[in-house]
Amino acid sequence: QKEVEQNSGPLSVPEGAIASLNCTYSDRGSQSFFWYRQYSGKSPELIMSIYSNGDKEDGRFTAQLNKASQYVSLLIRDSQPSDSATYLCAPPGSGNQFYFGTGTSLTVIP
Amino acid sequence: DAGITQSPRHKVTETGTPVTLRCHQTENHRYMYWYRQDPGHGLRLIHYSYGVKDTDKGEVSDGYSVSRSKTEDFLLTLESATSSQTSVYFCAISVPRGGYTFGSGTRLTVV
Repeated sequence: QKEVEQNSGPLSVPEGAIASLNCTYSDRGSQSFFWYRQYSGKSPELIMSIYSNGDKEDGRFTAQLNKASQYVSLLIRDSQPSDSATYLCAPPGSGNQFYFGTGTSLTVIP
Repeated sequence: DAGITQSPRHKVTETGTPVTLRCHQTENHRYMYWYRQDPGHGLRLIHYSYGVKDTDKGEVSDGYSVSRSKTEDFLLTLESATSSQTSVYFCAISVPRGGYTFGSGTRLTVV
């Protein structure tokens, strides 16, 4: 049973548009979520953390957490070609339970 | 990434041979992890460590063993490599603010 589900995409958006990436999870106890960006051939990089219900903004990125719906999203405003990557979401995990989503591939078209 | 290095970066080995991958951190973090990443499966936890000589299995631990004799080093060993272990391996440390910092990865090919 998957703990974290993401649409694998690929998702394509034109430059300057808003990219919306979504993630659902099954563990109602998850209190926080993390978003990672992974460029092709590189390792994942932590880009956003959200610890409470609602929105968290950081520059062009906004993370949204809805615990009641067990849903977390990442919005990228004014998308740039450099945002083209795979985005992974993950709850914090505990014990030996550490799960990542399989990732959503995003392509920003110039 | 700063503070965490993996070696080797690339390795080709033959089926049935032992292989050891090394992860070294300079951050003095307690928790260290080994993941593998495969198309269609994403990142899957192999083993993790919560201190020197303290380790536990993850989701896909069969065929792998680990050792941690010093805080800074976490070794992953494939006792007898198989083609199904061809993958990209990432070491990670958990960071105080939450989440992980990953090493650059090791691309392992078993032929």
